[in-house]
Amino acid sequence: DIQMTQSPSSLSASVGDRVTITCRASQSISRYLNWYQQRPGKAPDLLIYAASRLQSGVPSRFSGSGSGTDFTLTIFSLQPEDFATYYCQQSFSTLTFGGGTKVEIK
Amino acid sequence: EVQLVESGGGLVQPGGSLRLSCAGSGITFSSYWMGWVRQAPGKGLEWVATVKQDESLKHYVDSVKGRVTISRDNANNSLFLQMSSLRAEDTAVYYCATLGDFELHGGNPVWYFALWGRGTLVTVSS
Repeated sequence: DIQMTQSPSSLSASVGDRVTITCRASQSISRYLNWYQQRPGKAPDLLIYAASRLQSGVPSRFSGSGSGTDFTLTIFSLQPEDFATYYCQQSFSTLTFGGGTKVEIK
Repeated sequence: EVQLVESGGGLVQPGGSLRLSCAGSGITFSSYWMGWVRQAPGKGLEWVATVKQDESLKHYVDSVKGRVTISRDNANNSLFLQMSSLRAEDTAVYYCATLGDFELHGGNPVWYFALWGRGTLVTVSS
């Protein structure tokens, strides 16, 4: 099975900061990588699919990059509503999620 | 309104059974692969099962194989998850979701969970 490792597991940031979250696959997954945001008590929302494609309706301050084993989610200019937990998910072989990265207010 | 609404969760004893349902509205339900994803309390997300539009393909995570069956009723825009031999580790919020796909360079598509329901809580405890 392909393991997905996110780092950091949590971070503190301020409104307006640029935030970078990484996701590493245990083997190459090309660009079979998606990102989700989950606010407390809510269902996840799709942000990015195929590593870098922005889901319709998602603000352009969210950006995804990477291929192979290393991927990045960047939030340019963090907004109050962005404090949440972020998950990566691969679909190269079955479907597995990373452990999540919690973005907290500094 | 475009939405998925889960139901059927509750408290069940270890070894017991439960059937979860998911009702879709505002979408062409029959045109989507559908799936279930769960989240144990305070933990991350785990894919559970997916089913093709015509039920000709079904996939399960290893930890539920033989204990869980995914099915659907397209005429009634409904998705189901029949769970049996439940264990404490099955305790979680269960989300249903539509699957989207995006073709990458003519190869297999990238699969992603596009639309999610609010979830239903399953608690396995004596």
